[in-house]
Amino acid sequence: DGGITQSPKYLFRKEGQNVTLSCEQNLNHDAMYWYRQDPGQGLRLIYYSQIVNDFQKGDIAEGYSVSREKKESFPLTVTSAQKNPTAFYLCASSSGRLGGELFFGEGSRLTVL
Amino acid sequence: EDQVTQSPEALRLQEGESSSLNCSYTVSGLRGLFWYRQDPGKGPEFLFTLYSAGEEKEKERLKATLTKKESFLHITAPKPEDSATYLCAVQVETGGFKTIFGAGTRLFVKA
Repeated sequence: DGGITQSPKYLFRKEGQNVTLSCEQNLNHDAMYWYRQDPGQGLRLIYYSQIVNDFQKGDIAEGYSVSREKKESFPLTVTSAQKNPTAFYLCASSSGRLGGELFFGEGSRLTVL
Repeated sequence: EDQVTQSPEALRLQEGESSSLNCSYTVSGLRGLFWYRQDPGKGPEFLFTLYSAGEEKEKERLKATLTKKESFLHITAPKPEDSATYLCAVQVETGGFKTIFGAGTRLFVKA
């Protein structure tokens, strides 16, 4: 079955540590996205990528980094510079033009201890 | 400022009790409005896309409608399995890429 796989589902991090969240898709979609979800707020865009080796900052990119070396993969690194990293992180993809119907992964919940 | 507001924040219904969720928006230009369903601890699942005022889409017990200022998600005779958070998202007409998500409406349907 085609879809988006995020791992790990749960992750605990000590302050000062960098962590990387994995996102893999087998939908053959060109565009991929990372969103952050906090209680009581709408999803906020961290980074997005239209094609391999190219990505753009979203609304809340500070303290995060990404890479897009393969079409199928779009990992997100949460760095120690992110002041409030505890959140639910969602990876998504779309075919065709940017935006449009988004296909989401199951999410990764990051907790900073 | 572009904005998307969903109401109510939470809605409790009895099984079979029909109701509507609201998504109001103020944006410079609408490229598309999307509805998603999200179960606890899961990623959102796409439901509908609406592009122009007057458009309607249906899927099982759900029907989405669109006006120039808002969208409604009508739920007819809901069942407990319809319990979820429903998210509205608006893609804005812009030279780049801009999609704004509402905070969602949590729906609880009691048997």
